[in-house]
Amino acid sequence: GQSLEQPSEVTAVEGAIVQINCTYQTSGFYGLSWYQQHDGGAPTFLSYNALDGLEETGRFSSFLSRSDSYGYLLLQELQMKDSASYFCAVSRNRGNTGKLIFGQGTTLQVKP
Amino acid sequence: DTAVSQTPKYLVTQMGNDKSIKCEQNLGHDTMYWYKQDSKKFLKIMFSYNNKELIINETVPNRFSPKSPDKAHLNLHINSLELGDSAVYFCASSQAENQPQHFGDGTRLSIL
Repeated sequence: GQSLEQPSEVTAVEGAIVQINCTYQTSGFYGLSWYQQHDGGAPTFLSYNALDGLEETGRFSSFLSRSDSYGYLLLQELQMKDSASYFCAVSRNRGNTGKLIFGQGTTLQVKP
Repeated sequence: DTAVSQTPKYLVTQMGNDKSIKCEQNLGHDTMYWYKQDSKKFLKIMFSYNNKELIINETVPNRFSPKSPDKAHLNLHINSLELGDSAVYFCASSQAENQPQHFGDGTRLSIL
C-alpha cells in the first residue's frame, strides 16, 4: 500500500517558525515534493528533495531522510499570506513517469 | 500569459449529462495530468500524458476519457455524470517526469 501522513491542522503566529512533518510508506520512492494551496486556488510547487538533507528556498526549507521515510517543510518568519494548505507528495521510481501521490494536506493558520 | 489554463472554471450540470473540460499549457512541457480534488482536499492523479501518449491511467471509471490532440492540450470528457463526480478537477503539466508540476486554476464541477 501507499500512504502519506501529515498533520491535518497547524496554527502559528506571525513571525514564528512552523514545521510540517510528513511520513510516507510507498512501494518505491524517488523524491518528496511540497505544494502550497490557498483556498480556492491551485496547488503551487514549493520544493523538492530527492536526496537526504535540507533544501532552502528563501523563507521555506524542506528536509528529507530517506532512511526514516520522513520529511518536513519549515516555514520561517511566518506571514499572514502563508495561511494555506500544504501538501507533501511522493514521486515513485522512474517508470511511474511523473506520478505524484499526495498526502491529505496540512491546513496552516497564521494568526496576528 | 497564463501558463496552464482550464475552461470552464465552474461547471454546474445535472446527473446523467455529458461534459468536457479543456486544458492548455503554453510552457512547452511534455507531460500533462488530470487530478481530482474532493471535498476533503484529497488530490488524486487520474491520468497522465507524455507527448500525446497516455502513460498513467489510474483506477478511474471509463466514463472519464482524456484526449490529447497535441502536447499542449489535454481535455477530459465525462459521460453520464454522477453525484460522486462533484469535485474540483485540476490540469497540470511538467517538463519531464519528477519535475515540478504546474497546475491550472481548477474546474469546479457540481452535479445536481
